[in-house]
Amino acid sequence: QVQLVQSGAEVKKPGASVKVSCKASGYTFTSYGISWVRQAPGQGLEWMGWISAYNGNTNYAQRLQGRVTMTTDTSTSTVYMELRSLRSDDTAVYYCARDQGGYYYGDNWGQGTLVTVSS
Amino acid sequence: DIVMTQSPDSLAVSLGERATINCKSSQSVLYSSNNMNYLAWYQQKPGQPPQLLIYWASTRESGVPDRFSGSGSGTDFTLTISSLQAEDVAVYYCQQYYSTPCSFGQGTKLEIK
Repeated sequence: QVQLVQSGAEVKKPGASVKVSCKASGYTFTSYGISWVRQAPGQGLEWMGWISAYNGNTNYAQRLQGRVTMTTDTSTSTVYMELRSLRSDDTAVYYCARDQGGYYYGDNWGQGTLVTVSS
Repeated sequence: DIVMTQSPDSLAVSLGERATINCKSSQSVLYSSNNMNYLAWYQQKPGQPPQLLIYWASTRESGVPDRFSGSGSGTDFTLTISSLQAEDVAVYYCQQYYSTPCSFGQGTKLEIK
């Protein structure tokens, strides 16, 4: 069965960086892309961007451009999302989600990774 | 950017009754070349990731009970739960994937009356 397993919770100081991993299994990794979506405490869902596991092409939300980088490691079927220059309003649960044929809706989601930014 | 607006923000429905959630996009998400609406619906329970219910506005994801249905086209969409069950208590989100940045509605909290 399709599984996306994310790395554990992180606590970071303002200005630091965080790198969250999403390890895929149960399907052909390079046949799908991965979106990243975050959810601040008690809030709704925010799409952060997408990466193709086939060729590494990316599509980032404009408001995060310059702070976010998504990468893949096909040898381990893992996708990474790095967010830099963290601010308190980056505190959120971060989810990875598998797309469907290049269309950016998520048919399988990771369990989420809580990133807390606090001094 | 496309803005997605759901109504109502919260909804209380009796068990066995129909629940209807609306979603409106600030511009059409109907792609004329394939006549498909780039609209998905998700259910999110506390402490869990979202779960895909509906994509292409009306296609039910495998394993989703048939009491869930999606309808609409262009800018106006509806998620209907035909007979509310206790396990349907959750927050529901619509999402457009017509253009990036993809965007979600603010969510509708569904409770039992």
